Amino acid sequence: QSVLTQPPSVSAAPGQKVTISCSGSSSNTGNNYVSWYQQLPGTAPKVLIYDNNKRPSGIPDRFSGSKSGTSATLGITGLQTGDEADYYCGTWDSSLSVVVFGGGTKLTVL
Amino acid sequence: EVQLVESGGGLVKPGGSLRLSCAASGFRFSNCIMNWVRQAPGRGLEWVSSITSSGSFIYFADSVKGRFTISRDNAKDSLYLQMNSLRGEDTAVYYCARDSSCSPHENDYWGQGTLVTVSS
Repeated sequence: QSVLTQPPSVSAAPGQKVTISCSGSSSNTGNNYVSWYQQLPGTAPKVLIYDNNKRPSGIPDRFSGSKSGTSATLGITGLQTGDEADYYCGTWDSSLSVVVFGGGTKLTVL
Repeated sequence: EVQLVESGGGLVKPGGSLRLSCAASGFRFSNCIMNWVRQAPGRGLEWVSSITSSGSFIYFADSVKGRFTISRDNAKDSLYLQMNSLRGEDTAVYYCARDSSCSPHENDYWGQGTLVTVSS
């Protein structure tokens, strides 16, 4: 059972938009920066979003992050088959003094 | 180019020990919080441990507390994870990762990982 809650899977057609939610509490997502990670099959995770809504260089603007209250959201527009991957959210938990991750969301581009 | 390269993984018997290393380059290592994160086969990401930039503060997941030790050598741009009393459930790919808020803001923030297999 992960501290952060993500939907196990989402799917959409190529070219469409999808959102992935990440729900936590005041001790983690509510008061700390959230990062989003993409893990393509057989590869290491890559940072898509840091500090809630910032993109590292090289990450296309099709990927966006937002946060409201204790929930964060990853948005992906213009879906491509190459976006099929597992997506994780993560943040610091100030009460537990640990890093917490969501359980991961598998994106299928139909 | 930012790079993190892990080494030291392998096959070890239950109760045994391993020391993982992570060599960093392409960024100011001494400025960054560093982490170890693991992923068991077919499972999600599990945070293992973090160490602040100076090494003054360290944190561990309950699952490894008392068995694992994290350390860093800022002069060598290197991060370490000493793993003792290993168990089957410690079998995973272990990733070295710099904090997402640490500049430069470009991938790779994570290394490619090193596989640790605990089995008799």
